[in-house]
Amino acid sequence: ETGVTQSPTHLIKTRGQQVTLRCSSQSGHNTVSWYQQALGQGPQFIFQYYREEENGRGNFPPRFSGLQFPNYSSELNVNALELDDSALYLCASSSGETQYFGPGTRLLVL
Amino acid sequence: AQSVTQLDSHVSVSEGTPVLLRCNYSSSYSPSLFWYVQHPNKGLQLLLKYTSAATLVKGINGFEAEFKKSETSFHLTKPSAHMSDAAEYFCVVNLYNQGGKLIFGQGTELSVKP
Repeated sequence: ETGVTQSPTHLIKTRGQQVTLRCSSQSGHNTVSWYQQALGQGPQFIFQYYREEENGRGNFPPRFSGLQFPNYSSELNVNALELDDSALYLCASSSGETQYFGPGTRLLVL
Repeated sequence: AQSVTQLDSHVSVSEGTPVLLRCNYSSSYSPSLFWYVQHPNKGLQLLLKYTSAATLVKGINGFEAEFKKSETSFHLTKPSAHMSDAAEYFCVVNLYNQGGKLIFGQGTELSVKP
C-alpha cells in the first residue's frame, strides 16, 4: 500500500450536479496530482498542487478545480457534471519525481 | 512533444513463459520513465523507474526494464509469468518541464493462461 487514501470509493451523481473528491497524501509528500481514467483508457493529467498552489494543468475545462490544504491533502471539485465525466479519478502524491497513487474514486454520472 | 507508445494493446502468455511488454518514447531530453501496473478495479502500483542511472532497472515481482536511448525504447520483461501478473500495464514518462506531469501510454493488457 502507498499510504495515499481517497474518499469516497464510489459515487453516483446526475448531470448538472457538483461533486467533491478527497485525497490524503502520503506522509512527507508535499505534491498532489489528479488524473482522470476513463474506461479502457490510460489516466489523463488534470492538475497538480505543490504547497497549496496549482503547479500545472492538463486539458480540462475550468469546471474542474482543486484545492490543497496546509497538511497537503487535496480536493478535486467538478461542477456541472456531464455524462463523460464518468471515470475513475486517481490522486497521486509525491515529494520528488515518483508519484504514488491512491485506489481511486469511481464516479458514475447518470 | 514528449509521449509514450505501447506497441501492443493485449499480450497473452502461458504461465511460466517469458513476458515482453513493449514501450517506445519520444523526448527532447533524457526522460524519467516508469512502468505502473493496474489490477482490475484497483489503483496504480509502481513497478519500476528509470532516472538516468543504470540502464537496466529491476522492479518488484521479478520485472525489469532496459532503457535503450538509441532505440528510444523501455521494454518491460519478466522471465517467467505467474497467474497473478494478469493486469493492465502502463508505460509512463515524467514531464519535468511541465511540473512533473505524467504522460501515460495507452496500456497493455496482459493475460496469463494456465
